[in-house]
Amino acid sequence: NAGVTQTPKFRILKIGQSMTLQCAQDMNHNYMYWYRQDPGMGLKLIYYSVGAGITDKGEVPNGYNVSRSTTEDFPLRLELAAPSQTSVYFCASSSDTEAFFGQGTRLTVV
Amino acid sequence: GEDVEQSLFLSVREGDSSVINCTYTDSSSTYLYWYKQEPGAGLQLLTYIFSNMDMKQDQRLTVLLNKKDKHLSLRIADTQTGDSAIYFCAESIGSNDYKLSFGAGTTVTVRA
Repeated sequence: NAGVTQTPKFRILKIGQSMTLQCAQDMNHNYMYWYRQDPGMGLKLIYYSVGAGITDKGEVPNGYNVSRSTTEDFPLRLELAAPSQTSVYFCASSSDTEAFFGQGTRLTVV
Repeated sequence: GEDVEQSLFLSVREGDSSVINCTYTDSSSTYLYWYKQEPGAGLQLLTYIFSNMDMKQDQRLTVLLNKKDKHLSLRIADTQTGDSAIYFCAESIGSNDYKLSFGAGTTVTVRA
């Protein structure tokens, strides 16, 4: 029972590089989310999706893009990495009231 | 907008009770949550309370909700070393129960 799986766990990017953070869930949840967690701050919602083919912006979407071609997968794309995007990224999925989180991806942009 | 505030640190002796407090701003929140994060791990749901409830008890955990003051608390009875973690308060944003707004987290340290 894998739950929410994120890859990679760690990544160092140079300024201007691009990358995709992968997220997959095997619980058949409609709702999926991407959050970022900065030191001393709560999690901030980047993007979310209420079902395959539907995505919407959260609180801090600038510099990111998402897609939701299947129920299982919700990748997060950084096109031009900036130092301000250094953070820990969490993917989550939910059915009704409970959200399940992945283990996180620690991204450093240098 | 939505804003959730909680104190950043709490130190408690093993066996004592821990009380973590949180205030939120969105009066239309349907659910309020407590999540636990252990080092290097994702967030794990501890408990949640529906907005029309005052209290919820689940084994060692007691959640109190004062909707008038928009105040939420989590009490952990008989705190153990395994309870050392960061605890996040979160509220559902408006009528969209599936989106959450999180506080900054309270780091709970349990000392022997």
